[in-house]
Order: sequence, then C-alpha cells, then structure tokens
Amino acid sequence: AQTVTQSQPEMSVQEAETVTLSCTYDTSESDYYLFWYKQPPSRQMILVIRQEAYKQQNATENRFSVNFQKAAKSFSLKISDSQLGDAAMYFCALWGGGADGLTFGKGTHLIIQP
Amino acid sequence: DVKVTQSSRYLVKRTGEKVFLECVQDMDHENMFWYRQDPGLGLRLIYFSYDVKMKEKGDIPEGYSVSREKKERFSLILESASTNQTSMYLCASTGTWGLAGGEQFFGPGTRLTVL
Repeated sequence: AQTVTQSQPEMSVQEAETVTLSCTYDTSESDYYLFWYKQPPSRQMILVIRQEAYKQQNATENRFSVNFQKAAKSFSLKISDSQLGDAAMYFCALWGGGADGLTFGKGTHLIIQP
Repeated sequence: DVKVTQSSRYLVKRTGEKVFLECVQDMDHENMFWYRQDPGLGLRLIYFSYDVKMKEKGDIPEGYSVSREKKERFSLILESASTNQTSMYLCASTGTWGLAGGEQFFGPGTRLTVL
C-alpha cells in the first residue's frame, strides 16, 4: 500500500518570502510519479508541479520548485516570492502506476500574510 | 485545455433521498474518478472507472454506487443519502496511464449537504 504524509496542517508566510511545504511518502514501486496540487478557495484543484522518480533533477515551474530526496522518500515544495494568490490548500500526491490513480496526503493550508 | 465539469456546485438534499452527481470530461479520457474531500482527511477515493461500463471500488465505496454508460460521463449515486455523506465531492479524469504520467484533471467540486 502507498502512503503520503503531510505533517503540516497549516503554514503561514509573509508575502514575498519563501515557504517550504513538506511531504513524505512510502511506496514499493521503483518507478512512480509525485505531484503537488493546489486547491484555491474557489475549489478547482490544479496541478502545480510533477516529478518523475527516475529523474534525479528536481522539477521547477517558475516560483515553484521541489526538493526530491528519493532515498529519504521526501518531496517538499518550495514557493519563492510568495504572493497572495498562492493562498490555498496544497496536496501532495503519488502515482505508483496503478489503475486506482493517485494517493493523496491530507493537505497543507497555506496562508499568505500581506 | 482539459475540461471536467460537474452538474452542480452546491446541492442540498434530505436524508433518504436518492442523489445523482454527474461528471463530464471533454478530453476522451479513459479513466475517471470520484473522490470525497473532508477537512483533515484529504481526498479519499470512492470509485473509479477505466472504461465504459467498468467500475472499481476505491477506499470508501460504502453507501455509493457509480455508472459509466458513456466514456465522457461518470455518475456518482447515493442510493439513500445520509447526513454523514455531507461533504465535498470531486470528480477527476486522466488519459492513457503511460502517456498521462498519472496527472489527473479535476472538476470544480460539488458541495453536498444532507439534512
């Protein structure tokens, strides 16, 4: 069975600062994908960033980057220059290749202080 | 862009009613999913479907059923709604697994309240 753990139910950061959201996971698969999804208050879940486990290079999307530590089974999300629009629930998710899709963490509520 | 739509954003039903939640995707995706989202519990998989008329139970199927008569449409059915089914329901879809790399596209969600 796969598990995804987000140990921070809520995080707060000042606008323009950097924040890191933590995620650890467990899987017996050798090849898998990891995701960070964002769910703003409007509730539409959107993909922020994706990492393929066989790629050693950390994925980056503009102000969003990940720190993927495969041996430690850690997948943290770093948001640089935080903006008010970054306020949302963030979910870490894992796909191990099964037809049942993604396994999600319980989410981290990110608050941006103006 | 992939679009996943859900029939209602907000729904209020009474205990014992039969409830239908509809989900439609426009990208010819094979795989569709229904999740339930509750505070502190994240997303939990109710049912999924990998083809027309095919369905598989997820982690919390009790009290729910699904229907997939057409590729683009995946319906979640609450046969007899109960108050503990008050929740946010999210539909998602994804294409061929190897090509899609696991990424799912989500609908806006339906906030269901059962009184």
